[in-house]
Amino acid sequence: DQQVKQNSPSLSVQEGRISILNCDYTNSMFDYFLWYKKYPAEGPTFLISISSIKDKNEDGRFTVFLNKSAKHLSLHIVPSQPGDSAVYFCAASATQGGSEKLVFGKGTKLTVNP
Amino acid sequence: DTEVTQTPKHLVMGMTNKKSLKCEQHMGHRAMYWYKQKAKKPPELMFVYSYEKLSINESVPSRFSPECPNSSLLNLHLHALQPEDSALYLCASSQRLAGGPGFFGPGTRLTVL
Repeated sequence: DQQVKQNSPSLSVQEGRISILNCDYTNSMFDYFLWYKKYPAEGPTFLISISSIKDKNEDGRFTVFLNKSAKHLSLHIVPSQPGDSAVYFCAASATQGGSEKLVFGKGTKLTVNP
Repeated sequence: DTEVTQTPKHLVMGMTNKKSLKCEQHMGHRAMYWYKQKAKKPPELMFVYSYEKLSINESVPSRFSPECPNSSLLNLHLHALQPEDSALYLCASSQRLAGGPGFFGPGTRLTVL
């Protein structure tokens, strides 16, 4: 049973346009969400997070939106740059439940074309 | 110093060998993690240490044995591994347990022959 789903295995966008990466979750106990970026042959790098008490968090070109009722979050990258090309993992944890487990989605490979 | 380092970068071992993976961070983080990642799959949690004590063991086989000798170091001792254990082993750390790891190391690429 996959609790965190990234239904698009890949996404291709033009440089300068918006990249939107989507993530759905099924466990209503999740209250903290993170996005990681991974280049080949490197470990994941933390990008941005959001707590369930918020619906938006912005950091430079990266914005994460959370829709709790739909159990959906998205990562917006504006404007997209070729260096953003990587695999993006969505992850969730249930901190209030006392669980420190982070559940990852399968990732979406983003390609930003010059 | 805002990084997690892992050694070795690559490791090839036979099924009868004993080896260790090492992880180090000097950010004062009190939570450290071992993840396993197979190709084209998300990272899977193996172990979590909080304040040098084992907090979570995700039903990992005993051929993997974690050790946290101090707040900066995390080891993963390997013995009698199987070829299916070949994967990228990632170490991570965070300031506190809640919320998950903030910093990942580059990983050790393990091949079991």
